[in-house]
Amino acid sequence: DAKTTQPNSMESNEEEPVHLPCNHSTISGTDYIHWYRQLPSQGPEYVIHGLTSNVNNRMASLAIAEDRKSSTLILHRATLRDAAVYYCIPGSQGNLIFGKGTKLSVKP
Amino acid sequence: ETGVTQTPRHLVMGMTNKKSLKCEQHLGHNAMYWYKQSAKKPLELMFVYNFKEQTENNSVPSRFSPECPNSSHLFLHLHTLQPEDSALYLCASSQVPFLDGNTIYFGEGSWLTVV
Repeated sequence: DAKTTQPNSMESNEEEPVHLPCNHSTISGTDYIHWYRQLPSQGPEYVIHGLTSNVNNRMASLAIAEDRKSSTLILHRATLRDAAVYYCIPGSQGNLIFGKGTKLSVKP
Repeated sequence: ETGVTQTPRHLVMGMTNKKSLKCEQHLGHNAMYWYKQSAKKPLELMFVYNFKEQTENNSVPSRFSPECPNSSHLFLHLHTLQPEDSALYLCASSQVPFLDGNTIYFGEGSWLTVV
């Protein structure tokens, strides 16, 4: 399993963009990069995933470095409801291994 | 109706009790998972079932006994638990083989307190 490094916590202001970084230098060639988030008292929810190319969906964008050793989750306009723990998980199997993630706080 | 439903949402049990957690997925998936989340710890994968067959057991103590009667239902039978087993137990499902980065869908979890 690829080892990941994420900041323990980050702060953002409401309505501003947020860039959540993740280092995964030991990622294998077949591993996708998954991002999940966990709101307080809830199970994790899928945010976005990608392999090599940058990806966009209604929730966020995922920017993947050319060497795939790092990625950045981009929330274009943070809202108070985006306050959560964000997990970056490289993997190609169904048994995703969660780390400690980044706790994002959003200030009004 | 959510994709993955867990019951009960909250459970308090004594160390000598026997109880079960139930999970049902309505997504047509063929793989199901149990995760454990203790306070201030990352999620820990406990068990994986693919097509009703257990494919992974991450050294989970035998006081936790999973059961997967079909691809839509997953149980976690609990007996003689310890207070340190108090945690949030999360069920999840996905489609396998895990192609194109298929995602995993989680339930809202069952909060277990062992007294």
